Amino acid sequence: QSVLTQPPSASETPGQRVTISCSGSSSNIGSSYVYWYQQFPGTAPKLLVYRNNQRPSGVPDRFSGSKSGTSASLAISGLRSEDESDYYCSAWDDRLNGWVFGGGTRLTV
Amino acid sequence: QITLKESGPTLVKPTQTLTLTCTFSGFSLSTSGVGVGWIRQPPGKALEWLALIYWNDDKRYSPFLKSRLTITKDTSKNQVVLTMTSMDPVDTATYYCAHHRQVYGMDVWGLGTTVTVSS
Repeated sequence: QSVLTQPPSASETPGQRVTISCSGSSSNIGSSYVYWYQQFPGTAPKLLVYRNNQRPSGVPDRFSGSKSGTSASLAISGLRSEDESDYYCSAWDDRLNGWVFGGGTRLTV
Repeated sequence: QITLKESGPTLVKPTQTLTLTCTFSGFSLSTSGVGVGWIRQPPGKALEWLALIYWNDDKRYSPFLKSRLTITKDTSKNQVVLTMTSMDPVDTATYYCAHHRQVYGMDVWGLGTTVTVSS
């Protein structure tokens, strides 16, 4: 059971917008930055969003992150078939003194 | 360009100790603020953070596995080693190492190495 809670799946049609939620607590999301990763089957995770809403170089601006209180979300607009992937949220947990992940959300486009 | 590569046995027996090596390039583990972490992913399951070592040799471990983990670094060889004792079939997973920076978190990951625990 993961420390951060994500919906196991999400689905939307091409061109539309989808939001993936990530719920935590005061010891992780509530007091730390949130990071999002994209992972295709059989490959390593790729950093998608850092520090709540910052995108690394090369990540399209269709991907955006936000945080409010002890929850965060990843929004993907203008959905494309190639966005079909697993998405994980992560944050530092001050109580556990380590990184925690969500259970992952499988996005179907 | 930062790259990391995990190496180690693909099969270990229950109760044995697993030793994994992360060999990296494109950065130095003596640079302030830099770290290397280990994360694993059982088949079909979520990511699980294991350990992190910083440039100053500060170490952090998952509280759930702390008693079984040891992380060390060899700056001259550009390597980080993770050992996990008392391996069990539930430890079967793909193990990743990742470059860690204070601002970006775990921003570059290795391809991963698959470890199966079976007698």
